[in-house]
Amino acid sequence: DGGITQSPKYLFRKEGQNVTLSCEQNLNHDAMYWYRQDPGQGLRLIYYSQIVNDFQKGDIAEGYSVSREKKESFPLTVTSAQKNPTAFYLCASRSAAAYEQYFGPGTRLTVT
Amino acid sequence: KQEVTQIPAALSVPEGENLVLNCSFTDSAIYNLQWFRQDPGKGLTSLLLIQSSQREQTSGRLNASLDKSSGRSTLYIAASQPGDSATYLCAVEVAGNKLTFGGGTRVLVKP
Repeated sequence: DGGITQSPKYLFRKEGQNVTLSCEQNLNHDAMYWYRQDPGQGLRLIYYSQIVNDFQKGDIAEGYSVSREKKESFPLTVTSAQKNPTAFYLCASRSAAAYEQYFGPGTRLTVT
Repeated sequence: KQEVTQIPAALSVPEGENLVLNCSFTDSAIYNLQWFRQDPGKGLTSLLLIQSSQREQTSGRLNASLDKSSGRSTLYIAASQPGDSATYLCAVEVAGNKLTFGGGTRVLVKP
């Protein structure tokens, strides 16, 4: 059963703590993406990676970090430097041979 | 910088009526345009993808058109059903395999 998994579905943290969101895919896709969605708004690109061991900043990378050590995994760390981290975080992947991006179910992060 | 706009932000129609959702973008140098559906608290599901060289794509009750020169796309959903209630987002692909999203149109189909 192929797809993208994100865990956990809900995450709660205290202000000042770093937190890592998981994203795993078994679609054998080369490219992976992290987006942030705020209530009533579209998605904004945080980071993306087109191959293993390489990634680029998106439009709102400040306060976030990523790694891409394996093709299947693209974890996102929300650091204490991110001023407004409470949001819905979506991971996506895409094959090099196709154009559609496939999305995971998302992680809702609440920081108080 | 590419900007994508979706108007209206919300739409309510009676069941059976056709839905017309609009998407506009500022820079016509796109590779493709995608329409997605998002249910509350869920991820996105791809509905249709139109390549920059195409004018439209169809899938079942859904039809999407693309006018690159005017920076517009329209998603038509025929004979709407309550199950079509969701938020619909459009996104354009620009250089670097990146998507730029609109803010979405929240649709409610009333039985």
